[in-house]
Amino acid sequence: GDSVTQMEGPVTLSEEAFLTINCTYTATGYPSLFWYVQYPGEGLQLLLKATKADDKGSNKGFEATYRKETTSFHLEKGSVQVSDSAVYFCARFTGGFKTIFGAGTRLFVKA
Amino acid sequence: SQTIHQWPATLVQPVGSPLSLECTVEGTSNPNLYWYRQAAGRGLQLLFYSVGIGQISSEVPQNLSASRPQDRQFILSSKKLLLSDSGFYLCAWSVPQQETQYFGPGTRLLVL
Repeated sequence: GDSVTQMEGPVTLSEEAFLTINCTYTATGYPSLFWYVQYPGEGLQLLLKATKADDKGSNKGFEATYRKETTSFHLEKGSVQVSDSAVYFCARFTGGFKTIFGAGTRLFVKA
Repeated sequence: SQTIHQWPATLVQPVGSPLSLECTVEGTSNPNLYWYRQAAGRGLQLLFYSVGIGQISSEVPQNLSASRPQDRQFILSSKKLLLSDSGFYLCAWSVPQQETQYFGPGTRLLVL
């Protein structure tokens, strides 16, 4: 069935390090893909999205490119900050009414 | 602008007690509404979704139920809580036919 798989955490980085969080999906067709972020004690909020193959979503220095050949949507940031510490969820829209979320990857950034 | 509210923010309940969590959305009409549970250290599990008043779809059979008595109100209930019901409950909404979901601040439930 349809699924979203993302790398297990936690990921611990020093400030200004490069971040990659891997995400792959299974699907028929070309679903829209998302990254959501959850800061401590809060709900999720949309970070970025891409709606078709080769699209690049970007926001707050984060980027992810929709790669249909590898069915991937990896999240990257060139220089992380302590304030980026959060849980990151990769997700895909199923069509209809539902979105499938990955298990989440917790990121800790040390000063 | 649209806002989504959930209450209570935190709840501690004994096993076997009833539950009622409320979610309301402002600034939009006829939203799709969702209840998710996030267990400690785990991802999101979709519990229920609703595309209109009185229309509830259940994703996971369990001792929880949901109701939508008004267009922008979504309630999660249980008659008898289990220890395994502990978790972080998130309500979300989306515009029909659109893909992005908007989440509330969540309710942390601890069942003792």
